[in-house]
Order: sequence, then structure tokens, then C-alpha cells
Amino acid sequence: GNSVTQMEGPVTLSEEAFLTINCTYTATGYPSLFWYVQYPGEGLQLLLKATKADDKGSNKGFEATYRKETTSFHLEKGSVQVSDSAVYFCALSHMDSNYQLIWGAGTKLIIKP
Amino acid sequence: GAVVSQHPSRVICKSGTSVKIECRSLDFQATTMFWYRQFPKQSLMLMATSNEGSKATYEQGVEKDKFLINHASLTLSTLTVTSAHPEDSSFYICSARTAMGGNQPQHFGDGTRLSIL
Repeated sequence: GNSVTQMEGPVTLSEEAFLTINCTYTATGYPSLFWYVQYPGEGLQLLLKATKADDKGSNKGFEATYRKETTSFHLEKGSVQVSDSAVYFCALSHMDSNYQLIWGAGTKLIIKP
Repeated sequence: GAVVSQHPSRVICKSGTSVKIECRSLDFQATTMFWYRQFPKQSLMLMATSNEGSKATYEQGVEKDKFLINHASLTLSTLTVTSAHPEDSSFYICSARTAMGGNQPQHFGDGTRLSIL
């Protein structure tokens, strides 16, 4: 079945460091891929998405590229800020799962000043 | 765009009380809404999928008589936790998907923190 695996956290970085949060998926065909962010005590916000191979989603300085050959959708940011501290979820949707979101376990990101 | 409003944000009530949580899509029509439950430091657990005008589809292990879902319009779905008990305490989050297509992203409310004493 479809699944998403993302790196375990917490990930702790200093401000202005480079961020990578790995996400790989298992699915047939071409699922849509998403990154969601959850700030403390809040719901989830869509951060970025990609719907086909080689698409690059970007928002607020974050980027992720849909890599079919490696079944990956790694999240990157060149210079993180303290305000980026949150939990990041990678997810996919696929017609085989009636487009329900299949979630990764979430990665907690802690940015220290 | 794509704003989802969820109310209330926090509820504290006594055991045995029924609690209703509302989920509204403010600037788009949502044929499908989803209800999730999130335990501390864990990912989201899908409870049910709600389609406007039809009965909700519950995930395995979720009691439909305990968690009543109504999706009466394209902009409103409600979750009622009936006769709530302390084990029902959790963070409940709704999301809504536009009517445009199944592979569109879900947009989430801010969640409801339910605490049963």
C-alpha cells in the first residue's frame, strides 16, 4: 500500500543553518506530494505541494522537489529562523487511496538562536 | 484563500457531556471534509471522511455512534462527541478539500483541544 517515511526528530539547528528533512514515499504511479507545518498548539498549514515528477514546490523559503527516480520529496531551506520551529509532516495523496492523505510521522524542528 | 475555521478552539467539560465541534470552509466549497484526532507528539489519525449530503465513512476502530458527523452543506461539517469520557480527551482537527478534484490539497482548521474531566 501507499506509505510515507520521514526522518525522525527532533532536528535541532542553529539560526541561519541549512535545513533538510528527508521524506520518501511508496506508491504506484504518480501521487501528489505535500509538506504541512504545525506550529505549537495549532492546526496544520499547507506549506508546499507538487503534483508531478520534477515539480518543485516552494513557499516561505522552503523548497521540495518531486523526485520520481528516488521516490523522494525532501524539504529544504537555506537559512532557518527561530520562527521555523514547528513539526513538519510529509504526506501523499493517491487515487488508489481515494485521495486520502497518507501521513509521515512528522519531524519536530527546533531552531536555537 | 482556502480558509477553514474550526470552533471551539478549546473545550473543558465534565464526563458524560456531549460536545459539538464545527468546521467551516469560509471561502470555498468543500464537498469533502475530514476529521482527525491527534495524540501528543504523534501524527494525525484519520477518524472519518465526510461528504456533503451523505453519511460519513468511518475508519476502522472509530465508533460511529460515539463520534457523530454531519455534513449538511458545502461549507459546514460538525463532529459531536457523545457522552464524552476522559479517554476522549485529545486534539481534534478538521480539514476540507475543494470541490475541484480528489488530488487537491486539504486545508486545515486550527484544531479543538478537548479536555474531559
